[in-house]
Amino acid sequence: GEDVEQSLFLSVREGDSSVINCTYTDSSSTYLYWYKQEPGAGLQLLTYIFSNMDMKQDQRLTVLLNKKDKHLSLRIADTQTGDSAIYFCAVFSGGYNKLIFGAGTRLAVHP
Amino acid sequence: KAGVTQTPRYLIKTRGQQVTLSCSPISGHRSVSWYQQTPGQGLQFLFEYFSETQRNKGNFPGRFSGRQFSNSRSEMNVSTLELGDSALYLCASSLGLQDAYEQYFGPGTRLTVT
Repeated sequence: GEDVEQSLFLSVREGDSSVINCTYTDSSSTYLYWYKQEPGAGLQLLTYIFSNMDMKQDQRLTVLLNKKDKHLSLRIADTQTGDSAIYFCAVFSGGYNKLIFGAGTRLAVHP
Repeated sequence: KAGVTQTPRYLIKTRGQQVTLSCSPISGHRSVSWYQQTPGQGLQFLFEYFSETQRNKGNFPGRFSGRQFSNSRSEMNVSTLELGDSALYLCASSLGLQDAYEQYFGPGTRLTVT
């Protein structure tokens, strides 16, 4: 079945760039997403990319997609303490509005 | 524009009871999806409704059911609660059309089963 994998933890220094990686198995995924979850909150849609794109930039966020390797990454430039959260990679799976999520990467930003 | 709202935010129930959770989508959105989030299993898709019809369903037992009303508000029901049903239940709202790729989540309902 479909599977999405992420590393579980990333620690960065404030001001540095963060790169969160994700791999997926379903080659037919048309949309790929990044969500952010802060403690006690729901999921915030950060950005998404269509499967026919290689890169998407949105302010401090850059998404890279390597379809051949089924690899998705999220780069956060100039990481701030407010970026500390869990980041989920998700792929749109066959069927209506069904998302398959990775386990989430906990980003810790330290001074 | 108001976001996705879920009520109640917190619930404590006893094993064997049933519970109903509510989700109001963003105005104009006709699709509501439900997800269960637990520390052990992560985020798992429950089901999706569009125009009062269930279009997609995940691998959950029949104790989990849902419905959608003509105003697009959705409810999900869990009967005969088990301890393992303790979770954060999230709903997501979208236009529900083929090229409507943005799904917005509500704050969730935290269900604790004792």
